[in-house]
Amino acid sequence: ELKVEQNPLFLSMQEGKNYTIYCNYSTTSDRLYWYRQDPGKSLESLFVLLSNGAVKQEGRLMASLDTKARLSTLHITAAVHDLSATYFCAVDNTGNQFYFGTGTSLTVIP
Amino acid sequence: AAGVIQSPRHLIKEKRETATLKCYPIPRHDTVYWYQQGPGQDPQFLISFYEKMQSDKGSIPDRFSAQQFSDYHSELNMSSLELGDSALYFCASSLDPYMNTEAFFGQGTRLTVV
Repeated sequence: ELKVEQNPLFLSMQEGKNYTIYCNYSTTSDRLYWYRQDPGKSLESLFVLLSNGAVKQEGRLMASLDTKARLSTLHITAAVHDLSATYFCAVDNTGNQFYFGTGTSLTVIP
Repeated sequence: AAGVIQSPRHLIKEKRETATLKCYPIPRHDTVYWYQQGPGQDPQFLISFYEKMQSDKGSIPDRFSAQQFSDYHSELNMSSLELGDSALYFCASSLDPYMNTEAFFGQGTRLTVV
């Protein structure tokens, strides 16, 4: 079974700082997704990464994918309070289901 | 833009009762996924459907069943409910999964079993 691991699980950072969340997965896949979840809310799609070397940016978030290393990163630049949420990566190697990581709970402190 | 609609949003049931959760995918999406998310947990895959046929099955208890109808909406039927079934149940939809599109999630149904 495909396993997806994220680290860190919890991240507390000050506004204006940069940080990276890591997502490792266990088997070959070239489809990786990042989702954001606010407490008690649904999962909001952030990025879809479909090839080795893919890099996508939206505002203060940038995601990249290295399929050879089976690693994706979500980089946060100059964090703001509104980014506080839980971030999940998900990998899909069959087209039929998404395997989610454990999630990273991000708290941005003013 | 239309999103994935789930109903009901909240549901309270007693142990051993049954529950039916409904999911209406985004128009033209033919793939539906069901996930269960316990408190503080990551979403766990239950089952998926593509073109009204079951396409994959995860950690779905035998007490649960699901189907996708001709209009592509899906229902998750849960019987003999247990306290441990209390969770947030998400439905997601996507276009043909082989087209490499992401899944869009509904708002979820919060099921509480008492």
